[in-house]
Amino acid sequence: EVQLMQSGAEVKKPGESLKISCKGSGFTLNNYWIGWVRQMPGKGLEWMGIIYPGDSNIRYSPSFQGQVTISADKSIGTAYLQWSSLKASDTAMYYCARLIAHNYFDPWGQGTLVTVSS
Amino acid sequence: EIVLTQSPGTLSLSPGERATLSCRASQSVSSSYLTWYQQKPGQAPRLLMYGASSRATGIPDRFSGSGSGTDFTLTISRLEPEDFAVYYCQQYDSSLWTFGQGTKVEIK
Repeated sequence: EVQLMQSGAEVKKPGESLKISCKGSGFTLNNYWIGWVRQMPGKGLEWMGIIYPGDSNIRYSPSFQGQVTISADKSIGTAYLQWSSLKASDTAMYYCARLIAHNYFDPWGQGTLVTVSS
Repeated sequence: EIVLTQSPGTLSLSPGERATLSCRASQSVSSSYLTWYQQKPGQAPRLLMYGASSRATGIPDRFSGSGSGTDFTLTISRLEPEDFAVYYCQQYDSSLWTFGQGTKVEIK
């Protein structure tokens, strides 16, 4: 079964750094673009960026450029999303998802809830 | 950047009724690149329709999609209890992916 498994929920303080992960199973993650999507509490979906782990080619949404860093480790088939200095407004559920035909996302990971609070 | 506007924000219907959800784009979108997702509370989004009118694997035929240019529609012919959820449209253009703000289909 094709799945994306994300790292567990995180509780952080403002100013702290964080790196969350997304690992594929049932397929070779390195051969697909992987996207990251934010969902703030009670809100809709926002595309953040995508990465091709095979060569670490990355595209960022203009809204998230400079706010987060997307990376991958192709040796272990894992994509990452990281922050150098979290803000309370980064509190959200973050999903990774496989991009199909450079078009739509399927499947999605289960999500990683990030809570930033002092 | 293409902006997608979904309407209505909330649709209150009874099981067995027909649901019609709209997704309007700020500029023309290739129908090949218009996608619909379903999200239930506490769950990740699930692919529903791609290419505007193709059902994803396992999606029942009561779901159908149509449209072209700037106007797209998702129709649920007869609502089942499991269909009450939030639905998002999404488009791809020029290395940018954008989502609509969602339509919640709730039980009346």
